[in-house]
Amino acid sequence: DAGVTQSPTHLIKTRGQHVTLRCSPISGHKSVSWYQQVLGQGPQFIFQYYEKEERGRGNFPDRFSARQFPNYSSELNVNALLLGDSALYLCASSLEFGREIYGYTFGSGTRLTVV
Amino acid sequence: EDQVTQSPEALRLQEGESSSLNCSYTVSGLRGLFWYRQDPGKGPEFLFTLYSAGEEKEKERLKATLTKKESFLHITAPKPEDSATYLCAVQAGGTGANNLFFGTGTRLTVIP
Repeated sequence: DAGVTQSPTHLIKTRGQHVTLRCSPISGHKSVSWYQQVLGQGPQFIFQYYEKEERGRGNFPDRFSARQFPNYSSELNVNALLLGDSALYLCASSLEFGREIYGYTFGSGTRLTVV
Repeated sequence: EDQVTQSPEALRLQEGESSSLNCSYTVSGLRGLFWYRQDPGKGPEFLFTLYSAGEEKEKERLKATLTKKESFLHITAPKPEDSATYLCAVQAGGTGANNLFFGTGTRLTVIP
């Protein structure tokens, strides 16, 4: 059974560009969350989506946006990239909103480098 | 404000030398405390969830415990393959998003 799948695995972008990261949750999981992990730090919450609706947003600028599709996959979009956006972007899926304590599985992440 | 502090930042152990990692937390109504293992360049791998003070969970050489203010991850007779960063995270029981709030991790190195 496939785990959380993220694409691409690595990405290099130039300052000012736009990027789209993709995530497919575990089969049967309906909630998807996005985290940013800067080198040497713990993951920091960006968004949570459930049933295509945003259920939570972390302390990130409006340059960050996301959406969830009917098949529960999700995209994270970042506009006007800054050097400080360089990080590992992690997607996590859980069965339902409010049931994260029963399982919250991370993907391997997308390593974004902004030059 | 939710806060998670992990110590030490880094730990070097000889193979077979047992030790403990600490996670101190401040959260408005703890719903769950999570331990994850993360290898370089990879996503966090789930280890344990603890729900209430006094709870303990074990998996191979790892044992996690929880009090009202902190959690410990005990590593018994570690092996080189236990080398990784261990992350602690809490989920608050308040309204709003059910996100995890992470500490900065403890980087464990086990020397053969």
